[in-house]
Amino acid sequence: DTGVSQNPRHKITKRGQNVTFRCDPISEHNRLYWYRQTLGQGPEFLTYFQNEAQLEKSRLLSDRFSAERPKGSFSTLEIQRTEQGDSAMYLCASSLGTSGGAYNEQFFGPGTRLTVL
Amino acid sequence: LAKTTQPISMDSYEGQEVNITCSHNNIATNDYITWYQQFPSQGPRFIIQGYKTKVTNEVASLFIPADRKSSTLSLPRVSLSDTAVYYCLVGARNFNKFYFGSGTKLNVKP
Repeated sequence: DTGVSQNPRHKITKRGQNVTFRCDPISEHNRLYWYRQTLGQGPEFLTYFQNEAQLEKSRLLSDRFSAERPKGSFSTLEIQRTEQGDSAMYLCASSLGTSGGAYNEQFFGPGTRLTVL
Repeated sequence: LAKTTQPISMDSYEGQEVNITCSHNNIATNDYITWYQQFPSQGPRFIIQGYKTKVTNEVASLFIPADRKSSTLSLPRVSLSDTAVYYCLVGARNFNKFYFGSGTKLNVKP
């Protein structure tokens, strides 16, 4: 399977703990995105990378959230000092960012479901 | 990003054609209209994108009137497997900050 993969698929943690999620994009894709989705709502954009550069992070929910993509391949999303309100599905997507007129479809992974007790 | 308005939910029966309309009154000149589909416990999946008039692919058709203030996603002869949430997004063709909204939950009945 050459799609976007995310690990773990499920994470249960206690309030105050730190958690880290991993996303492996489609191999030739240079853009990577993180979203958060709560029940009954559409995905909410958090941040995106072009290669290893984080080009947009203003939507990261607080300074407890951080994301990295150190070598321009996989990415990690870390949440420090988790709160119950952080419980959600965290989605990763990737796309082939090219210049020109073609549409660069975002391909989504299956998500990591976080439950904070 | 232009705000979009869609019905919260729709019901249909197998074999029927389903039309989901999205309103985007503040669409900008260089904005495209993109539709995504999401099944439970999965990430969204691209369906179709258009700028004006009509676009058709193997899955759906997208109708956009001349004023572009709305668009209609048409799903021909739906089946139970088309039960999903459908999102309408508006923005520059390769914009990188998608706004999904709440989408339209389509329920296809046997």
